[in-house]
Amino acid sequence: DAGVTQSPTHLIKTRGQQVTLRCSPISGHKSVSWYQQVLGQGPQFIFQYYEKEERGRGNFPDRFSARQFPNYSSELNVNALLLGDSALYLCASSPYRGVNQPQHFGDGTRLSIL
Amino acid sequence: AQKVTQAQTEISVVEKEDVTLDCVYETRDTTYYLFWYKQPPSGELVFLIRRNSFDEQNEISGRYSWNFQKSTSSFNFTITASQVVDSAVYFCALSESLGSSNTGKLIFGQGTTLQVKP
Repeated sequence: DAGVTQSPTHLIKTRGQQVTLRCSPISGHKSVSWYQQVLGQGPQFIFQYYEKEERGRGNFPDRFSARQFPNYSSELNVNALLLGDSALYLCASSPYRGVNQPQHFGDGTRLSIL
Repeated sequence: AQKVTQAQTEISVVEKEDVTLDCVYETRDTTYYLFWYKQPPSGELVFLIRRNSFDEQNEISGRYSWNFQKSTSSFNFTITASQVVDSAVYFCALSESLGSSNTGKLIFGQGTTLQVKP
């Protein structure tokens, strides 16, 4: 079975632009979470979606938004990009929501802001 | 506040040595889950183990073992007879419940970079 897939793998943008990152969860997984990992740090939680509804949001500005589609895939959108948005963006899926669910991660999208 | 601390930033060992990665956590929840993930250079976080707060039994999986001690809020990870392929960044994480929605989010430590030299 395919794991969590993310696209694109790498992306280069300039300040002020907008970006959309995509994620396909493991087949049968209904929960998708997004994390931002700045170089040298642990991942930071951005969003969690379950059954197409936002279930949790981390401490990120409103420039960050996301949605989940009926097939459980998800998009993360970031507007008005800043240099500080340069990071590895990781998508994770789990069968259900809940504190006990191990989350399975994709390879991430490496976003560079010039 | 929920927090995970991995005090060891980098560890370097020679192949076949045993190595222990430390993890200390803070939480006010009585029910919580702890995780270890491995991140090779490719970037993907690989799930290694999950432990709930009511199960303090140590676990062994091949060369990997985990020691959970609630009294000291620690969840340490030991690799026995390390191999070059074990070289990666290792993250300890705590699952926090987001209010009444029973939605978990992972709170990660800063990670420990393990380098195993041949």
